[in-house]
Amino acid sequence: EAGVVQSPRYKIIEKKQPVAFWCNPISGHNTLYWYLQNLGQGPELLIRYENEEAVDDSQLPKDRFSAERLKGVDSTLKIQPAELGDSAVYLCASSLRGSGGNEQFFGPGTRLTVL
Amino acid sequence: SQQGEEDPQALSIQEGENATMNCSYKTSINNLQWYRQNSGRGLVHLILIRSNEREKHSGRLRVTLDTSKKSSSLLITASRAADTASYFCATETSGTYKYIFGTGTRLKVLA
Repeated sequence: EAGVVQSPRYKIIEKKQPVAFWCNPISGHNTLYWYLQNLGQGPELLIRYENEEAVDDSQLPKDRFSAERLKGVDSTLKIQPAELGDSAVYLCASSLRGSGGNEQFFGPGTRLTVL
Repeated sequence: SQQGEEDPQALSIQEGENATMNCSYKTSINNLQWYRQNSGRGLVHLILIRSNEREKHSGRLRVTLDTSKKSSSLLITASRAADTASYFCATETSGTYKYIFGTGTRLKVLA
């Protein structure tokens, strides 16, 4: 079974440029998460989807970040314009929907460097 | 902002020794999970303990949960060099499916 796929793995851009990350979750997983992880820190949730609905986007900086999950499968996270402080690893995870106790399966992440 | 605080921040032990790391959190939870992250790799789920459980085992892992103290511990017995990684606790806030990760413990096992 394929795991969570993310692309690109690395991205270097100049500030004020746009950037997009793509995630393909594990087949059959209804729930999809985007996390941001700074160096030496744990992941911080940006947005959570149940199917195609964003059910928790309270931590997403909506002035510059946007996300979508078309048809409840793949998802794209976009930053426009990027700022220096956005340099981090962006992680995508997926899980089966259900009662509490969903194991999250993480992708390898996209390491973003903003110059 | 992160809810969980992990202690210690870093731990260095010899191969064969036991490693214990602790996680404290702030709100009521449905369950708590532990994840491992190797350098340059994604997070991998290790074990889950529900709020009505006090202790759980999986191979060389032992997790305890004390909801009255809002804390959990992860014990890795007979550690190996391959256990070198960062370990994170993640709590699911009661009434939600939202997970909040801790700050992590960086474990180094010396061969």
